[in-house]
Amino acid sequence: IAGITQAPTSQILAAGRRMTLRCTQDMRHNAMYWYRQDLGLGLRLIHYSNTAGTTGKGEVPDGYSVSRANTDDFPLTLASAVPSQTSVYFCASSDSIQGDTGELFFGEGSRLTVL
Amino acid sequence: GQNIDQPTEMTATEGAIVQINCTYQTSGFNGLFWYQQHAGEAPTFLSYNVLDGLEEKGRFSSFLSRSKGYSYLLLKELQMKDSASYLCALMDSNYQLIWGAGTKLIIKP
Repeated sequence: IAGITQAPTSQILAAGRRMTLRCTQDMRHNAMYWYRQDLGLGLRLIHYSNTAGTTGKGEVPDGYSVSRANTDDFPLTLASAVPSQTSVYFCASSDSIQGDTGELFFGEGSRLTVL
Repeated sequence: GQNIDQPTEMTATEGAIVQINCTYQTSGFNGLFWYQQHAGEAPTFLSYNVLDGLEEKGRFSSFLSRSKGYSYLLLKELQMKDSASYLCALMDSNYQLIWGAGTKLIIKP
């Protein structure tokens, strides 16, 4: 059972380049999320999707875009990367936006460095 | 607004008990979560409290007081593998999670 798979696990990117982080889940969860994690800060929500075909903005959406064409995939795109987007990015999913536990299942993370 | 506070770092001894506190301020509340995150790994779910009181799960327990905006995670019989960061997260009125910065727990032999 794979759960959530993220790719790439690590990437060094020149500023101004376009980058897509991939996220795939095999649990048939409705909701998916993209977070960034920076030292000394809590996880911050970038974008989310409550169900296939819908997306929403989180706390820090600027410079990022997402799509949810189907249940399994939720890619995150940086249109023109900037150094402040250097971070560890986590994709997560949950069974329901108003589930009894709301437990999130996380991918292993993508470490992105923008130079 | 919403705010979550937890200590940045704590140290404890193998075999002992440690309590990690989390205080919060929020206008809407739909639950309080604790996650464990080992260095370089993804967070994993530990516990969920929505009602006041203590939830026990093996060596780990979590407590909630909604009136005080306070929760704690209690770890008993500490093992070296418990060295990790412990993340407190609040589910707000829109069912979105607001995360604390995490408490790094260092276990010494």
